[in-house]
Amino acid sequence: EVQLVESGGGLVRPGGSLRLSCAASGFTFSSHWMHWVRQVPGRGLVWVSRISSDATKTQYADSVKGRFTISRDNARNTLYLQMNRLRVDDTAVYYCAREDLWEGAFDIWGRGTFLTVSS
Amino acid sequence: EIVLTQSPATLSLSPGDSATLACRASQSVSSHFLAWYQQKPGQAPRLLIYSAYSRATGVPDRFSGSGSETDFTLTISRLEPEDFAVYYCQQYGTPFTFGPGTKVDMK
Repeated sequence: EVQLVESGGGLVRPGGSLRLSCAASGFTFSSHWMHWVRQVPGRGLVWVSRISSDATKTQYADSVKGRFTISRDNARNTLYLQMNRLRVDDTAVYYCAREDLWEGAFDIWGRGTFLTVSS
Repeated sequence: EIVLTQSPATLSLSPGDSATLACRASQSVSSHFLAWYQQKPGQAPRLLIYSAYSRATGVPDRFSGSGSETDFTLTISRLEPEDFAVYYCQQYGTPFTFGPGTKVDMK
């Protein structure tokens, strides 16, 4: 079964750091570009970051640039999001998503992990 | 950055009705890089439509997409109970952006 499972969310103080993980299974992880998308409960979806299949290219939303780092380990079929200098407005559910090989849309999503940034 | 607006914000309909959801882009979306997603409470989004009009694997044919450049539409014919959800459009040129969503709820 094609699956993405996020982990690593929790409660962090403002200014703190956390690393999210996304474990992939059921497909050739190393072939796909991967993304992180976040959603404040009750609000809309916001794209956060993208990484190429070979990890040589990364892109970030302006709101996280310089604070978040996306990476991947293709040997472990795992995607990461290192989040530093966290702010209250980073509080959200964080989803990892697979980019379709040919079309570019996000065809597989994990169930999300919830990050709360609060003092 | 391409800004997407969706209308209406909420659509109140009954099972068996048809739903027409609009998505407007602030500038032309290149190569039909426009997708639609469905999200139910407590669940991850699900891809319905890509390239403006192509149905994703397993999506029923009552879902159809149309449009080009700056104006796109998702049509759901004959609403089923499981179709009541929030629908987001997305353009997948960099930076990726999503619309604010349209909630289809039961009248």
